[in-house]
Amino acid sequence: GEDVEQSLFLSVREGDSSVINCTYTDSSSTYLYWYKQEPGAGLQLLTYIFSNMDMKQDQRLTVLLNKKDKHLSLRIADTQTGDSAIYFCAMNSGYSTLTFGKGTMLLVSP
Amino acid sequence: NAGVTQTPKFRVLKTGQSMTLLCAQDMNHEYMYWYRQDPGMGLRLIHYSVGEGTTAKGEVPDGYNVSRLKKQNFLLGLESAAPSQTSVYFCASWDENPGPSYGYTFGSGTRLTVV
Repeated sequence: GEDVEQSLFLSVREGDSSVINCTYTDSSSTYLYWYKQEPGAGLQLLTYIFSNMDMKQDQRLTVLLNKKDKHLSLRIADTQTGDSAIYFCAMNSGYSTLTFGKGTMLLVSP
Repeated sequence: NAGVTQTPKFRVLKTGQSMTLLCAQDMNHEYMYWYRQDPGMGLRLIHYSVGEGTTAKGEVPDGYNVSRLKKQNFLLGLESAAPSQTSVYFCASWDENPGPSYGYTFGSGTRLTVV
């Protein structure tokens, strides 16, 4: 099955850019997602990218997809303390199920 | 719209007790899912359903049963709880309309402790 790996922790200062990385093994995924989980809450969809795209920009968020290296990244520009959360990459494994990475905890300090 | 609602939000069980977690969605979604989240393990799929009356096993189904008697509800049962089932359980739903780009909608979770 699909294996999705993420680094576990990232610490940045407010105003800096954050880059969260994800690698995966199955190249057949059609949609790749980034979810955000705030403490004590469920996961919220942040953004997504189709597998036939290389980049997608959505306000402060930039998603890059390198299909050759099976690498997905999420860049958050001008990171704020409210961005502190756990970020999960996920991709469809089969038509109707998603496989999630273990999550990257982003800590933004003032 | 309430989206996806999970009950209860918290529960403490003794080893061997049984319980049912309820997930309800009001978006008329066909697909529903139960995940568990454990520290350092991410989210792991327990069971899922592709429509009313259907269920399928996910990555970690042992010790759990599910039922989808009504389209809007997806129940997760623990027949004989074990400490290894201490976790945060998330329900999610999805539909082909409007499409995969909308991702899953998640509930806020049930925190279960088995002592």
